[in-house]
Amino acid sequence: QKEVEQDPGPLSVPEGAIVSLNCTYSNSAFQYFMWYRQYSRKGPELLMYTYSSGNKEDGRFTAQVDKSSKYISLFIRDSQPSDSATYLCALGPAYKYIFGTGTRLKVLA
Amino acid sequence: NAGVTQTPKFQVLKTGQSMTLQCAQDMNHNSMYWYRQDPGMGLRLIYYSASEGTTDKGEVPNGYNVSRLNKREFSLRLESAAPSQTSVYFCASSEKGYYGYTFGSGTRLTVV
Repeated sequence: QKEVEQDPGPLSVPEGAIVSLNCTYSNSAFQYFMWYRQYSRKGPELLMYTYSSGNKEDGRFTAQVDKSSKYISLFIRDSQPSDSATYLCALGPAYKYIFGTGTRLKVLA
Repeated sequence: NAGVTQTPKFQVLKTGQSMTLQCAQDMNHNSMYWYRQDPGMGLRLIYYSASEGTTDKGEVPNGYNVSRLNKREFSLRLESAAPSQTSVYFCASSEKGYYGYTFGSGTRLTVV
């Protein structure tokens, strides 16, 4: 079993939809949680970072961490075609984040 | 600001050849990282440098060496390239090890 599991997608949604992206993990020692967006042939770009259970909001993005269930989520409100990308979760101890394999998202105009 | 700059962007090597991938950051970050990204495998940590003067192995260090030249620069060396090292290599940096990372745009390496 991988330490971090992420559905590869692709996930296709209409413009304006609420998108839910998820990762599950097995290592209860993970303390820090991040979400990245990666456009094709580009480097990952940090979207959200948190280190505690609960919700963190930044504009149209909300990160949710449930440590008891070992489950993290990223919600995107009012999705736009420009949100079409691969979304990576990253979890870990400091310096040694484990990345999920990414979920491909397509937002259809 | 340039952020994290990687050179070269593309490279083709023959099996057994050596090369060095260069990475420089201009954000005064303490920590730097090298990852490789392969289809279906995600990003995997090769080596990291928590601070200037220190380096440590990550998940997949075999076949690679690194040098933290100064606070800005962190290079990755392939001494004898193998086809299994065909990948996209990303350098990243962060102010501290538990902060988010800033990634470079990557080096696409093909070993034939």
